Amino acid sequence: EVQLVQSGAEVKKPGESLKISCKGSGYSFSSYWIGWVRQMPGKGLEWMGFIYPVNSDTRYSPSFQGQVTISADKSVSTAYLQWSSLKASDTAMYYCARSSVSGGWDDWGQGTLVTVSS
Amino acid sequence: QSALTQPASVSGSPGQSITISCTGTSSDVGGYKYVSWYQQHPGKAPKLMIYDVSNRPSGVSNRFSGSKSGNTASLTISGLQAEDEADYYCSSYTSGTFYVFGSGTKVTVL
Repeated sequence: EVQLVQSGAEVKKPGESLKISCKGSGYSFSSYWIGWVRQMPGKGLEWMGFIYPVNSDTRYSPSFQGQVTISADKSVSTAYLQWSSLKASDTAMYYCARSSVSGGWDDWGQGTLVTVSS
Repeated sequence: QSALTQPASVSGSPGQSITISCTGTSSDVGGYKYVSWYQQHPGKAPKLMIYDVSNRPSGVSNRFSGSKSGNTASLTISGLQAEDEADYYCSSYTSGTFYVFGSGTKVTVL
């Protein structure tokens, strides 16, 4: 069974750094794109960026380029999303998703709630 | 890259059919077969309902179907049921930024 398990909820202050994780199991982690999705409170889904673990090919959506860093560690089948300096506007639920061999994203993590507040 | 355009809300009575549109451009919806649809219930992660415009993953009810014409993709839910009440998002591959979501549609079962 394919599973994506994300790290737990975080409460941070503005200016702090943060790295959240998404651990894949039940499949060949390196062989499928992982995407990160932001959902701000009461709002829609936004693709933030994508990584192909086999070669770390990374793509960022324009709104998130330079704002976050996406990485992956094949040895532990885990993808990461990190911020160097959080803002209150980063408060959101963050999901990771795995691409299928077609154009769909068929497996999703349970989400990580990030709250940034002074 | 702007979000694909979806109606904010669609409603229908149990047993009826509803259709949600997803309008993009020739650089995304119109240019590729990689349009997918996701259902999201409150507090839950999204669930893939349709991929590659019109294909259903295993386990998804055949009441859900997808199609595309030009720059607009559509999701049809037939035989509407109470459990279908949720938010629905389209997503398309795009030459610009890899993938983009639609603005989302709230489906209400009257």
